[in-house]
Amino acid sequence: NAGVTQTPKFQVLKTGQSMTLQCAQDMNHNSMYWYRQDPGMGLRLIYYSASEGTTDKGEVPNGYNVSRLNKREFSLRLESAAPSQTSVYFCASSEMIAGGYYSYNEQFFGPGTRLTVL
Amino acid sequence: DQQVKQNSPSLSVQEGRISILNCDYTNSMFDYFLWYKKYPAEGPTFLISISSIKDKNEDGRFTVFLNKSAKHLSLHIVPSQPGDSAVYFCAAPSSNTGKLIFGQGTTLQVKP
Repeated sequence: NAGVTQTPKFQVLKTGQSMTLQCAQDMNHNSMYWYRQDPGMGLRLIYYSASEGTTDKGEVPNGYNVSRLNKREFSLRLESAAPSQTSVYFCASSEMIAGGYYSYNEQFFGPGTRLTVL
Repeated sequence: DQQVKQNSPSLSVQEGRISILNCDYTNSMFDYFLWYKKYPAEGPTFLISISSIKDKNEDGRFTVFLNKSAKHLSLHIVPSQPGDSAVYFCAAPSSNTGKLIFGQGTTLQVKP
């Protein structure tokens, strides 16, 4: 059981280049998420997919696109990278647990992709 | 608007002593809270959680306390060990989609 895997682990891009970050999970989870982590900012949600075939914007979606390829895979694309997108990117997956006013979940995270945009 | 706040960026404690990490929130509708632990070059991992129907949840050396009237929760680690040195995030689900709102994180250093 690999859990959540991400590729690549490291990437350096020049401003304006594009790339796709790959994420896959083998836990049969319905929900998947992309976060970025910046110093002093915690983890901020970029996009999420509550179930296969659906995607929605999170807190910081500008400059990114996503594709939920199937239940296992959720990719994040930077069409034209900018230095402000230098960050560590984490993919996560979870199974929804209904309860109370809000449903809650334990999210499982991948090891991250460290991206530098020059 | 930061709905979940961790106002202490860092904390240093001696091995064997208690570590107390704090978290404040502004949305009174939050009814579940989670703590995640993150080591360098790894993804965050779930540590412990608490439902708003409780004011305390304990798991081994880790205890989370919830004070709903103050909109405050804290994570206690007793006794602290050098292996506990990591970044700790508190989080709360923001809607029924399961999205989590994370605090900024507190870096804990436990000195031998």
